[in-house]
Amino acid sequence: KQEVTQIPAALSVPEGENLVLNCSFTDSAIYNLQWFRQDPGKGLTSLLLIQSSQREQTSGRLNASLDKSSGRSTLYIAASQPGDSATYLCAVDDDKIIFGKGTRLHILP
Amino acid sequence: GAGVSQSPSNKVTEKGKDVELRCDPISGHTALYWYRQRLGQGLEFLIYFQGNSAPDKSGLPSDRFSAERTGESVSTLTIQRTQQEDSAVYLCASSSHGQTGELFFGEGSRLTVL
Repeated sequence: KQEVTQIPAALSVPEGENLVLNCSFTDSAIYNLQWFRQDPGKGLTSLLLIQSSQREQTSGRLNASLDKSSGRSTLYIAASQPGDSATYLCAVDDDKIIFGKGTRLHILP
Repeated sequence: GAGVSQSPSNKVTEKGKDVELRCDPISGHTALYWYRQRLGQGLEFLIYFQGNSAPDKSGLPSDRFSAERTGESVSTLTIQRTQQEDSAVYLCASSSHGQTGELFFGEGSRLTVL
């Protein structure tokens, strides 16, 4: 049974810092991995999608990497801003799409 | 449509009543997913559709929950004889390809069972 773990559960950093969020999964037979953000009381917004054959994807200040064999992905956020404050979730697709519990990120102004 | 649409956005019901939640996926998206998110918790997989078929119903919490999809479009999630533990936000998502596509979410239906 696929399990997705996100560490840390919560993180507070000063504005301007670079940071890394971690996601690990137990079954490496995945089709893709996707990172989302969720603002309080809202649905999920897709950030980056990495196919199983890819190693990384970039969008603006965000960079996501995937090491399928070791069951790990990281989301790198450069030059963090208060508007980046949200919960970040990763999800792996192995027929069902299974989510981690997320990392609550707070960027301090 | 431009995005995934869910209705109602909020539903308050009494224990024991039946409720129906609706999801309109992005036009042309073949895959559709339902999740439940209890307050302060992560997303719990319920069911997914590929076209009108549901290959995996193992996530449905009990036989009070059922879902269908018609015309490879609209899906409804039905909860019969609601219980207080059913209170949650029910999120729907769709993607263009079941196993390679980007997943897009609706804003969710918030269900409160009194």
